[in-house]
Amino acid sequence: QSVLTQPPSASGTPGQRVTISCSGSSSNIGNNIVSWFQQITGTAPKLLIYSDNQRPSGVPDRFSGSKSGTSASLAISGLQSEDEADYYCAAWDDSLDGWGFGGGTKLTVL
Amino acid sequence: QVQLVESGGGVVQPGRSLRLSCAASGFIFSSYGMNWVRQAPGKGLEWVAVIWNDGSKKLYADSVKGRFTISRDNSKNTLYLQMDGLRAEDTALYYCARDPPVGAVVRKDFDHWGQGTLVTVSS
Repeated sequence: QSVLTQPPSASGTPGQRVTISCSGSSSNIGNNIVSWFQQITGTAPKLLIYSDNQRPSGVPDRFSGSKSGTSASLAISGLQSEDEADYYCAAWDDSLDGWGFGGGTKLTVL
Repeated sequence: QVQLVESGGGVVQPGRSLRLSCAASGFIFSSYGMNWVRQAPGKGLEWVAVIWNDGSKKLYADSVKGRFTISRDNSKNTLYLQMDGLRAEDTALYYCARDPPVGAVVRKDFDHWGQGTLVTVSS
């Protein structure tokens, strides 16, 4: 199973706000920064959030990241149809001496 | 612009070897660490290996340790993944992805990805 734990699915209607959680431990999220990635079907992953809550240029401010203790969250406000994708969290794991990814959350826009 | 292009994938029998390449352009390759990340069909992302910008340090996921070797040639702006003793469970799309530059104060890990190269291990 994955190092980080995410819900397998999430959904919302256009305009809604949805949140995706990412649970870890003191060796990963609790001690290191979290990144989030968006993967639209058939394409490569794209960096969405870095350093817990920073957006790369070009990423809409509808996307935001937060972290508390050993958990992190990705929030998407004003949901749009093009947000339908798989979302992954990632953090360095000090115990594994490597990167840990979440299992991914499939977001459906109803 | 930053471009990462993987190649070398294909169909291979269990126990055989394969070498993947990732050609980089649009940035100073020798200043960045590089990763391999894989994705089995219909599954999530799995980190495979990372190499420091100068090749001085390499780290691997437990699932590939002792079988895979990451390397790079900074004179050719190319990253490699030598895969030996391949198993059916290594079947996946293999991506190369860029690390932050040396000395970066703010870490943008995996900020650029290639399109991937497919490795299928089957008899």
